[in-house]
Amino acid sequence: AQKVTQAQTEISVVEKEDVTLDCVYETRDTTYYLFWYKQPPSGELVFLIRRNSFDEQNEISGRYSWNFQKSTSSFNFTITASQVVDSAVYFCALSGTTGGGNKLTFGTGTQLKVEL
Amino acid sequence: EPEVTQTPSHQVTQMGQEVILRCVPISNHLYFYWYRQILGQKVEFLVSFYNNEISEKSEIFDDQFSVERPDGSNFTLKIRSTKLEDSAMYFCASRPDRQTYEQYFGPGTRLTVT
Repeated sequence: AQKVTQAQTEISVVEKEDVTLDCVYETRDTTYYLFWYKQPPSGELVFLIRRNSFDEQNEISGRYSWNFQKSTSSFNFTITASQVVDSAVYFCALSGTTGGGNKLTFGTGTQLKVEL
Repeated sequence: EPEVTQTPSHQVTQMGQEVILRCVPISNHLYFYWYRQILGQKVEFLVSFYNNEISEKSEIFDDQFSVERPDGSNFTLKIRSTKLEDSAMYFCASRPDRQTYEQYFGPGTRLTVT
């Protein structure tokens, strides 16, 4: 069984602060994929990043960075110099390689509020 | 940039009625999915579809639900007899091929059952 835990329900920061969203996962698959999706107030789900279980290299994209640590089963997401437009719900998700459909198992999401 | 589209954006129906939610996945994508999100909760997997058949379904996807790809572009989710607890946002997603694991989501259909 797969499980994704996002312990932070809601985080509030002031603009320009750095913020880290935590994600811990469980899976029995030896090969798996991790994702972050953003859900702005308009409701759509926007794909941000995918990480393969066999690639622990961290990634940076502009103000976004991701830290994947297999030893602690964590895939954390950091936003540097946050902006009001970053306000959204962020979901961490996991896809295994068994089960046939490669479904996404989502965490409960972290509501990020960035205030002026 | 190609995107997944869904219609309608909002559907209101009475309990016991049948509804069909429509999706047009990204052209040339091979894998299709339906998820739902009850208000304020996490996104839950319903069903995956590949090569004109269901490849996996969750326990939520009972006999009241069905999916179909009636032509080369549409992918539909039918709920035969809606219940109050079916009220949710329903997302369609598609994925290009076997080697690509990220799924691209449509904007969702908000289903309200009264």
